[in-house]
Amino acid sequence: KQEVTQIPAALSVPEGENLVLNCSFTDSAIYNLQWFRQDPGKGLTSLLLIQSSQREQTSGRLNASLDKSSGRSTLYIAASQPGDSATYLCAVKPGGSEKLVFGKGTKLTVNP
Amino acid sequence: NAGVTQTPKFRVLKTGQSMTLLCAQDMNHEYMYWYRQDPGMGLRLIHYSVGEGTTAKGEVPDGYNVSRLKKQNFLLGLESAAPSQTSVYFCASSYNPGVEQFFGPGTRLTVL
Repeated sequence: KQEVTQIPAALSVPEGENLVLNCSFTDSAIYNLQWFRQDPGKGLTSLLLIQSSQREQTSGRLNASLDKSSGRSTLYIAASQPGDSATYLCAVKPGGSEKLVFGKGTKLTVNP
Repeated sequence: NAGVTQTPKFRVLKTGQSMTLLCAQDMNHEYMYWYRQDPGMGLRLIHYSVGEGTTAKGEVPDGYNVSRLKKQNFLLGLESAAPSQTSVYFCASSYNPGVEQFFGPGTRLTVL
């Protein structure tokens, strides 16, 4: 059974700092991996999708990497801003499955 | 484009009452999903649909029914609500299972 873990559960950093959020998964047979952002009381916003054949994806100040063999993904946020404060969720789509398996998220606080 | 919308945003039910949650998407997506999000549990798939007229069970389908009579709409029904169904419900859609899922803003349901 695929399990997704995100460590740490919460992270607080000063504005301007570069940071890395971690995601690990137990079964390397994945179809893709998706990073989401969730603001309090809101829905999920898709940030980046990495297909199993890809190593990384970039969007603006965000860079996500995927190491399928080791079961790890990282989300790198450059020059963090208070507006980046949110919960970041990692989700994998197991091969042959329709569902996404989600981690429990990392709550990020960027202090001005 | 409105993207994915959900109705209602909030609802309070008494045990045993029934209700239907409506999800609508205007992106012509084939795939639609219903998830629930609970503290400490992450998001879990309830039911999904791979196209108009189709439905399938997800990870936690018991106590819920769904229908997809029109491509743009996906309905989630609770026939006899229980306190264990208190949760935040999210609808999502995607063009196909290999690409990113887009989420609605959620429905916060409380069952007393």
